[in-house]
Amino acid sequence: GQNIDQPTEMTATEGAIVQINCTYQTSGFNGLFWYQQHAGEAPTFLSYNVLDGLEEKGRFSSFLSRSKGYSYLLLKELQMKDSASYLCAVMDSNYQLIWGAGTKLIIKP
Amino acid sequence: DVKVTQSSRYLVKRTGEKVFLECVQDMDHENMFWYRQDPGLGLRLIYFSYDVKMKEKGDIPEGYSVSREKKERFSLILESASTNQTSMYLCASSLPMVTQPQHFGDGTRLSIL
Repeated sequence: GQNIDQPTEMTATEGAIVQINCTYQTSGFNGLFWYQQHAGEAPTFLSYNVLDGLEEKGRFSSFLSRSKGYSYLLLKELQMKDSASYLCAVMDSNYQLIWGAGTKLIIKP
Repeated sequence: DVKVTQSSRYLVKRTGEKVFLECVQDMDHENMFWYRQDPGLGLRLIYFSYDVKMKEKGDIPEGYSVSREKKERFSLILESASTNQTSMYLCASSLPMVTQPQHFGDGTRLSIL
């Protein structure tokens, strides 16, 4: 079966750095997406990785290792507004998105 | 900016009712999707559509149907609502290319009593 694993919940301190991991086992791979979802709101797109390596976008970076079936989202200089759930999704060989359950990130002052 | 609008944020219906959830997008996207989101689970795909009048079953289509008569509108229908269909329903749209992200509406929280 297809599977995406993320930690259920993480806590970090304002101003710090946090890494949210995502491991996947899917039938084929056509890219990995990260989304942010604030409570009661729509998921919003953060990043897309299809090649190995690190993609940096301001305070947020996303890393992919296809051989290890592994990605992480790195958030730097954490702000209170970063408190949200972070969803990892992999596009499989049928071009369908397989979603992880999401990681709830709690930022403390 | 892409705007995906779902007709209701909150909806309460009774068991056995026929329920319509409407979704409209304003960016001329070919692809549209309906998901449900439940605590502790990833988004689960109910139905999707790659073109007008075209529909494909997702992972959990049982008890649901869809309609796409116009490119911008994708409707989800619960034929006879049941309590296990109480959930958050999310609509999304995207361009057809693999690299393009899906854009989501704010969701409809549906309760079936």
